[in-house]
Amino acid sequence: GDSVTQMEGPVTLSEEACLTINCTYTATGYPSLFWYVQYPGEGLQLLLKATKADDKGSNKGFEATYRKETTSFHLEKGSVQVSDSAVYFCALSASSNTGKLIFGQGTTLQVKP
Amino acid sequence: DAGVIQSPRHEVTEMGQEVTLRCKPISGHDYLFWYRQTMMRGLELLIYFNNNVPIDDSGMPEDRFSAKMPNASFSTLKIQPSEPRDSAVYFCASSLIGASGNTIYFGEGSWLTVV
Repeated sequence: GDSVTQMEGPVTLSEEACLTINCTYTATGYPSLFWYVQYPGEGLQLLLKATKADDKGSNKGFEATYRKETTSFHLEKGSVQVSDSAVYFCALSASSNTGKLIFGQGTTLQVKP
Repeated sequence: DAGVIQSPRHEVTEMGQEVTLRCKPISGHDYLFWYRQTMMRGLELLIYFNNNVPIDDSGMPEDRFSAKMPNASFSTLKIQPSEPRDSAVYFCASSLIGASGNTIYFGEGSWLTVV
């Protein structure tokens, strides 16, 4: 079945460091791919998405490119801030188009001043 | 536009009591999801509805859990009787199939503590 695998955390970085959080997926067909972010004490918010191969989603300085050949959707940011500290979830839309999203286990990012 | 609205935001209850969590999805959305989040198990899909009809409840942990969606603008998740291991954050989410690549929008969660 469809699945999402993220790198395990926590990831600890200093402010202004480069960030990469790896995400790979297994799916039939052509799923849409998402990154959600959860700040402490809050719900999940959509960060960015890509709906077809080679699309690049971007938002708030974060980027991720839908790579069908490597079945990956890695999240990147060139310079992180303390305010980026959160849990990041990679997800895909179920290929059967049921409306359901399949989430990875989440990666905690801690950015230190 | 108003997002997904959940209530209560926080609930502390005693073991054995009934707990009812409520959700108002985004107007016009045709899917509604209930998720549970814990440190141990992460984010789990409990049940989801399409056009008010339950589609998949395989994630509901036990018969103590039940969910209803009497109309397009309201859903409840009920736990009866509650147990300490039910302590978690419960998220309601909604989406519109085919729109924006099936983006799901989450509420802010109901933080449940069972003592």
